[in-house]
Amino acid sequence: TQLLEQSPQFLSIQEGENLTVYCNSSSVFSSLQWYRQEPGEGPVLLVTVVTGGEVKKLKRLTFQFGDARKDSSLHITAAQPGDTGLYLCAGGLMDSSYKLIFGSGTRLLVRP
Amino acid sequence: KAGVTQTPRYLIKTRGQQVTLSCSPISGHRSVSWYQQTPGQGLQFLFEYFSETQRNKGNFPGRFSGRQFSNSRSEMNVSTLELGDSALYLCASSLAAGTAGNTIYFGEGSWLTVV
Repeated sequence: TQLLEQSPQFLSIQEGENLTVYCNSSSVFSSLQWYRQEPGEGPVLLVTVVTGGEVKKLKRLTFQFGDARKDSSLHITAAQPGDTGLYLCAGGLMDSSYKLIFGSGTRLLVRP
Repeated sequence: KAGVTQTPRYLIKTRGQQVTLSCSPISGHRSVSWYQQTPGQGLQFLFEYFSETQRNKGNFPGRFSGRQFSNSRSEMNVSTLELGDSALYLCASSLAAGTAGNTIYFGEGSWLTVV
């Protein structure tokens, strides 16, 4: 059972366009993290959100954690070719487990 | 501050062999977790260790095992390798156990190919 649904799976856009990636779940998460992964490398942490309704900005990237802590979104403004990569959301469950549940990822290609 | 270090970065093994992967967490981090990443299944949790104790284990067969040493370094072992074990194995470290507000940092991974 996939606890964290991430969409879209693939996104190919022109440089300068805006985009939004979504992560949705029926489960409540204690925290949610967004990572970006380059081919052959490990995921690199972009942001951690822990409070329902929280919004964090990282230059052109805006991250939002849903009020109920079941969903999150990543919005990129004026995408650049350097934003190309695999974006992963990962949620920490509210139970006593000590693991992250990962979404399936969004593969983003920004064309010059 | 050095990041999470994994060795080896690349290795090729034959079916039936066993493999040991090593992970050094960020200095001061006491929690180490392992994940398997494949194109078909994405990132799947293997297990987490804190203070040399396994706190949780994912849905993997008993061929997958791990341990943590007193200096927080960790190793994972896969015995009787199968072709389907080919994957990127990622180690992650964090200050404490649990995920509530606890940031987890990943290493670059160990690429395992089973032939």
